Amino acid sequence: GESVGLHLPTLSVQEGDNSIINCAYSNSASDYFIWYKQESGKGPQFIIDIRSNMDKRQGQRVTVLLNKTVKHLSLQIAATQPGDSAVYFCAENSNDYKLSFGAGTTVTVRA
Amino acid sequence: DSGVTQTPKHLITATGQRVTLRCSPRSGDLSVYWYQQSLDQGLQFLIQYYNGEERAKGNILERFSAQQFPDLHSELNLSSLELGDSALYFCASSPSASGGNYEQYFGPGTRLTVT
Repeated sequence: GESVGLHLPTLSVQEGDNSIINCAYSNSASDYFIWYKQESGKGPQFIIDIRSNMDKRQGQRVTVLLNKTVKHLSLQIAATQPGDSAVYFCAENSNDYKLSFGAGTTVTVRA
Repeated sequence: DSGVTQTPKHLITATGQRVTLRCSPRSGDLSVYWYQQSLDQGLQFLIQYYNGEERAKGNILERFSAQQFPDLHSELNLSSLELGDSALYFCASSPSASGGNYEQYFGPGTRLTVT
């Protein structure tokens, strides 16, 4: 199976709170990681990426953290909004040509 | 809107039949990727084309084939369809041949239902 996975299949978050979505990977040779968001009925949408020479990268309301020691990746979403409800996938590149996707975490935002 | 288009949006067909899914990449992107997404398997990479040439193969069945045309659009052909082929099929594109190291832009997908 795929080497990338997520710790929890579902996450329920109160609107306005911060969300943390976790992902573990097993291939220490992976050097590029991406987080995608997939809303119902749509294709995956790029959120943020990080290369293995970094341990943190920030975007708009999102931060990705990479811990290569324990092969762990996380996505933090600040001030979670209803529009953040979606399935979140982490993906890794351990080959030149393909991304390997994890199973996904479904995030539900409570009003 | 990612700029990647896929047609048709939905497709319902019977077992044993053959279908063709079509993808147009973002303007300027030379690489096209096909993925299959089913409920129990997640997103599975099928195949990549770069500027008309097959670049890499993933978990693609022999009953499936693809090609990329000179105008860079791509088609995924699925034949001898089985119930288990029912899934969402996504196309993605990127500017580079080294797709694993660059952001891929996904289309809206084609939902295939085999009855």
